[in-house]
Amino acid sequence: QSVLTQPPSVSAAPGQKVTISCSGSSSNIGNNYVSWYQQLPGIAPKLLIYDNNKRPSGIPDRFSGSKSGTSATLGITGLQTGDEADYYCGTWDGSLSSWMFGGGTKLTVL
Amino acid sequence: QLQLQESGPGLVKPSETLSLSCTVSGGSVSSSSYYWGWVRQPPGKGLEWIGSIHYSGSTYYNPSLKSRVTISGDTSKKQLFLKLSSVTAADTAVYYCARTFDSSGSLFFDYWGQGTLVTVSS
Repeated sequence: QSVLTQPPSVSAAPGQKVTISCSGSSSNIGNNYVSWYQQLPGIAPKLLIYDNNKRPSGIPDRFSGSKSGTSATLGITGLQTGDEADYYCGTWDGSLSSWMFGGGTKLTVL
Repeated sequence: QLQLQESGPGLVKPSETLSLSCTVSGGSVSSSSYYWGWVRQPPGKGLEWIGSIHYSGSTYYNPSLKSRVTISGDTSKKQLFLKLSSVTAADTAVYYCARTFDSSGSLFFDYWGQGTLVTVSS
């Protein structure tokens, strides 16, 4: 059981928008930057969002991040079948003195 | 383009020590803004951070694994190493090495190796 809670799965149709939540506490999300990672089947994770809402070079603006209080959200617009993947949030937990990943959310594009 | 490549035995016996290497190419390992670390993923499960090392030698570990983990590095060869002792079947996972950006409160994994599967079995 991760200290960062994500829904196990989300789904939406191609072209639609989906959001994935990541809920934590003041010891992690509340006081630290959040990053998001995309893991396509059988592939290593890839950085999607860092510092809550910044995109690395090469990541399309269909992907966005936000944070409010002790929760963070990943948004994906214009869904494509190629977006089907597992998505993980992550941040530092000051109380545990450890980096934490959320449990992951499987995105299905119907 | 920075690349990380893990290597090591794919099969380790229970109670023995898992040893992996990660070779970095296409960039420097001696930047103050970066740590180099290990993340693992049991089959069908989520990601778990193991620990990280700075080129200066400072390390930090996941408290849940700290008693069994040693991470070291050789900056001249641009390699980092993972040792995990007293392994059990629960340590079966894909092990990734990853670069961590760590500066001014910003902390994230920006480059990942392809991962290597280690199975613990007799």
